[in-house]
Amino acid sequence: ETVLTQSPDTLSVSPGERATLSCRASQSVSTKLAWYQQKPGQAPRLLMYGASTRATGIPARFSGSGSGTDFTLTINSLQSEDFAVYYCQQYNDWYSFGQGTKLDIK
Amino acid sequence: EVQLVQSGAEVKKSGESLRISCKGSGYSFTTYWISWVRQMPGKGLEWMGRIDPSDSYTNYNPSFQGHVTISADKSSSTASLRWSSLKASDTAIYYCARHSSHGNPFDDPWGQGTLVTVSS
Repeated sequence: ETVLTQSPDTLSVSPGERATLSCRASQSVSTKLAWYQQKPGQAPRLLMYGASTRATGIPARFSGSGSGTDFTLTINSLQSEDFAVYYCQQYNDWYSFGQGTKLDIK
Repeated sequence: EVQLVQSGAEVKKSGESLRISCKGSGYSFTTYWISWVRQMPGKGLEWMGRIDPSDSYTNYNPSFQGHVTISADKSSSTASLRWSSLKASDTAIYYCARHSSHGNPFDDPWGQGTLVTVSS
C-alpha cells in the first residue's frame, strides 16, 4: 500500500499571497498523482492530475509539480474561494489519499 | 450533463443492514468505473473499493474487504454499497466517484455524498 503524507497539516496564508502544499509518497507513483479541493459540506473537486495538468476549468493560479515520491501544489495570488482542504491522491497502486492540508486565512 | 446522484441520509442501529446507491446519468454508465470513498466525521478521504459496471468486477481496499459489498446494476445505471451488519464506526459520509478504468484519477463531479449515522 502506498502511503501519502501531506505537509503541513494546516497552512495559514493571507489573501493575495502564495501557498505551497506538499505531498510525499512512501514509494514511487511516477506522475500518477492528483490533487483535490474540498470545501465544507461539499464533495471533493479535481484540481490537478498527472502531477501537473490542471483539470477542466481550474484557474492558472493553481500549479503542480513533482514526480516519483515528492509533489507540490502551488496556489498563487490566493483568492477567498481557495481557502479549503486539499488532498493528494495516488492512482499508481490502486488508490490512496493523503490526510489533507487545511488552507486557512491568516 | 454528467451527474452522480446518491441516495439520502440514513440513520441506523448497530447490527442493521444498509444499502446506499449512486445513480449515474449523462454518460455511458458501463464505460466508467465507480469507486466509493469514506469520510469519517472531521477526517480525510479513504478509498473503499471500485466496480466496473460493465462486468461487475470489483476490487476492495483490504481495510474494507469483507465488511462492505459493492455492486452495480447496468439496467438502472446504479452502483450500490451494502453493509450486512453496521457498526458505530461506520458513521461517515460516503461518496461515489467515476473514473476511466485503472490508473486514472476520479473525475468531476462526484456524488453529493450520503451521510450514514449508526448508533450503538
